[in-house]
Order: sequence, then C-alpha cells, then structure tokens
Amino acid sequence: EVQLLESGGGLVQPGGSLRLYCAASGFTFSNYALSWVRQAPGKGLEWVSTFSGGNPYYTDSVKGRFTISRDNSKNTLNLQMNSLRADDTAVYYCAKGPYSSSHHFFDYWGQGTLVTVSS
Amino acid sequence: EIVMTQSPATLSVSPGERATLSCRASQSVGTYLVWYQQKPGQAPRLLIDDASTRATGIPARFSGSGSGTEFTLTISSLQSEDFAVYYCQQYSKWPLTFGGGTKVEIK
Repeated sequence: EVQLLESGGGLVQPGGSLRLYCAASGFTFSNYALSWVRQAPGKGLEWVSTFSGGNPYYTDSVKGRFTISRDNSKNTLNLQMNSLRADDTAVYYCAKGPYSSSHHFFDYWGQGTLVTVSS
Repeated sequence: EIVMTQSPATLSVSPGERATLSCRASQSVGTYLVWYQQKPGQAPRLLIDDASTRATGIPARFSGSGSGTEFTLTISSLQSEDFAVYYCQQYSKWPLTFGGGTKVEIK
C-alpha cells in the first residue's frame, strides 16, 4: 500500500524558514516523480514543486525561496522553505506521480502538513 | 501559464441525478488533463487521468471527456458520497495548474 506521510509543518514568523519532510513507503521510491502541492485555508489547490527525472521544478512564486530535494536511500522527499511570507500559509501535501519523468499528475497524496506564517 | 477555468463554481444536484462539470484551458492541453475529488478534511483523490481514463477503483458512474481546451466530468447518478469539490489539472506544460474547483452540493 502506497503511503506518504508529511511532517515538519508549524507556526513560523514572516521571513523565517521551515523544512518539510515526506516519508514514503509501499512503492519503489526512486522510480517516480514526487511533488509538493499546497492549499491555503478555504482555497483551491496550487502546485508548488516537483522533483522529476533528476530535475527540480518550481512555481514562480517560490523560486529562489524554496528548494525541493529527495533522498532515494531513505525514501524521503524534502522541501526547504526560506523567506516565508503570509501567503505561503497552507496545508502542504506530498504527492506521487505515476511515472519517473513524465505525466505530472498525482495518483497518491499524503494527508498534508499545515504551515502557518504569522507574527 | 495555462489558466484552467472550472464552471460552475457550485452545482446543486439531487441524489440520483446526473452532474456535469466543465473545465476549460486557456490553450490546448491535448488530453493531458486529470480530475480529482476532495472531501472536507481529506486529501484529493485521483478520479480521471488522460482526460477520460478512470483511475484504479473509481466507479463507472464517473466519466471524463474532451480534448484540447474543453473538458467535462460527468457523474451519471450522484450518490451521497459524491458530494465534494472537484478539481481539474493540466499536465501539458510547466507550471502545472489547477482549476478553481466545482463544489457539488446536495439540492
């Protein structure tokens, strides 16, 4: 059974940093693209970042502030978030793609971790 | 960026009736379009990929159609568990983009 378990969320002040983690199990981790998708309170879904085919991809609003990485030996996906802003407040979901480097949609999702940016 | 527009924002339907949800792309995405269902407090669930292929375990009452810029998700006979928010997403080009969602509520 595919499982994705996020952690690392919490309350952080504007300008601060936070690191999110996603522990994966139930599939061959290195064979699939993995992503972060967020959802602000009461709002829709927004793609944040994907690590696919050895390359990172980012939405414009987080470029230069967020860094996605993966450790295939530990089956973990990470998101280092720096210079956080109030509009980064959201539930952050870890999501798995169906292939290693194409067809970037999400066939499995974690339950999410809440990041709140506020003073 | 490809903008995805969903309509209507809210759809009121009685159980057993058909629901038709629309998703429009600002430029052609071919059939690189998926649909998700999200219930309150839960993560999204993949329903349809490649515009019309049901994901594993999805009931046959869910169907997707369309290509290019116009797409439709049809729920043939709404069950109580189908009342939720539905999102479309294109994966034709970076950045990946979602529609704003359609909430299907009980009439």
